[in-house]
Amino acid sequence: QQQVKQSPQSLIVQKGGISIINCAYENTAFDYFPWYQQFPGKGPALLIAIRPDVSEKKEGRFTISFNKSAKQFSLHIMDSQPGDSATYFCAVPFYFGTGTSLTVIP
Amino acid sequence: DAGVTQSPTHLIKTRGQQVTLRCSPISGHKSVSWYQQVLGQGPQFIFQYYEKEERGRGNFPDRFSARQFPNYSSELNVNALLLGDSALYLCASRREQGAETQYFGPGTRLLVL
Repeated sequence: QQQVKQSPQSLIVQKGGISIINCAYENTAFDYFPWYQQFPGKGPALLIAIRPDVSEKKEGRFTISFNKSAKQFSLHIMDSQPGDSATYFCAVPFYFGTGTSLTVIP
Repeated sequence: DAGVTQSPTHLIKTRGQQVTLRCSPISGHKSVSWYQQVLGQGPQFIFQYYEKEERGRGNFPDRFSARQFPNYSSELNVNALLLGDSALYLCASRREQGAETQYFGPGTRLLVL
């Protein structure tokens, strides 16, 4: 069973600030590393994903940084907005982290 | 196109009972996966089905079983329910077995009393 460790468990950020969530994994057999966003009462939705042959991928305000040697990847949310308040999960790719509850304060 | 649909949305059962949850994938998607999400935790992988065959299984007891039908819809069955089975059960579909992007349904909230 893949172990996926995600931190922090919760995060409070001011509007306009940067939110950073980290993920560490064990098994190197996978080649697809997604981040999901989940709002209350909804299923997770794919936010952004990366392959290990690149170290960074940016889509709008969301960036994944990938460190293959350290078996870690992180999600950066630039210019965080109140609408970003949700729970974020990393996955490898069927095995999910424990989630980070993000609250963006106006 | 409609997204992944699941039924029922909510369900209350008592310990020892059996439950069947249903999932319809996005049209054209042939792979369905099931996840269990306990409150405050990440989804835990239960099964993946593709072309009616089981292609992956997570660390769940044999009380959990599933099947996929010719129209690619799927059912998850849980026998001898325990209090700890109370969770949100999520279904996700993807176009092919190896497709990377999966789309989740809204889930079925199961409460076992």
